[in-house]
Amino acid sequence: GAVVSQHPSRVICKSGTSVKIECRSLDFQATTMFWYRQFPKQSLMLMATSNEGSKATYEQGVEKDKFLINHASLTLSTLTVTSAHPEDSSFYICSARANSGTGGSVAKNIQYFGAGTRLSVL
Amino acid sequence: QKEVEQNSGPLSVPEGAIASLNCTYSDRGSQSFFWYRQYSGKSPELIMSIYSNGDKEDGRFTAQLNKASQYVSLLIRDSQPSDSATYLCAGDNAGNMLTFGGGTRLMVKP
Repeated sequence: GAVVSQHPSRVICKSGTSVKIECRSLDFQATTMFWYRQFPKQSLMLMATSNEGSKATYEQGVEKDKFLINHASLTLSTLTVTSAHPEDSSFYICSARANSGTGGSVAKNIQYFGAGTRLSVL
Repeated sequence: QKEVEQNSGPLSVPEGAIASLNCTYSDRGSQSFFWYRQYSGKSPELIMSIYSNGDKEDGRFTAQLNKASQYVSLLIRDSQPSDSATYLCAGDNAGNMLTFGGGTRLMVKP
């Protein structure tokens, strides 16, 4: 079963709306989570690295004031797309890296991906 | 620029054949490598991880790593139509961030 839960899976919103996406690690702790964006027929592009208890590290060209990241606990990171515009329409995917293996399906230092959120801004 | 390169494909193989997917990387500091499978409209799913030179086998999948040549490959034996997807190669640097290749689209024809 899934080890990283991401919600919502699909969002359709009007331009100017803010959208919040949640990423939860299930049954394991993740000090570090990652947020990616993927446009059609392109590869994953890392947007930012989310660190529990500290500020996120953004990749070059990603506006930190537009894409707000909060990593409030060892199992939850959120990405808020503020004042979304049609050009923000994309597939947003989070991943979580386990601090330690669970002895089951989760191995240490492997990145596990959420199911993704497809954002469509009208 | 630290890069991971893959042929975008599509790579077309008949059902039952061996599919060979290749990847090169530029960052000699990369220690760990991963193959993810991504179906259209879905998020990536981990297939294999490999950390040491040589081969690693898991079922129908074999990952190969050659750090001297900076080359990683994935072999899929007895390819099935359900294997049709985009395969992403990724390298993990010392900061534990993944750098993804552009992906290779595999088509397995019945």
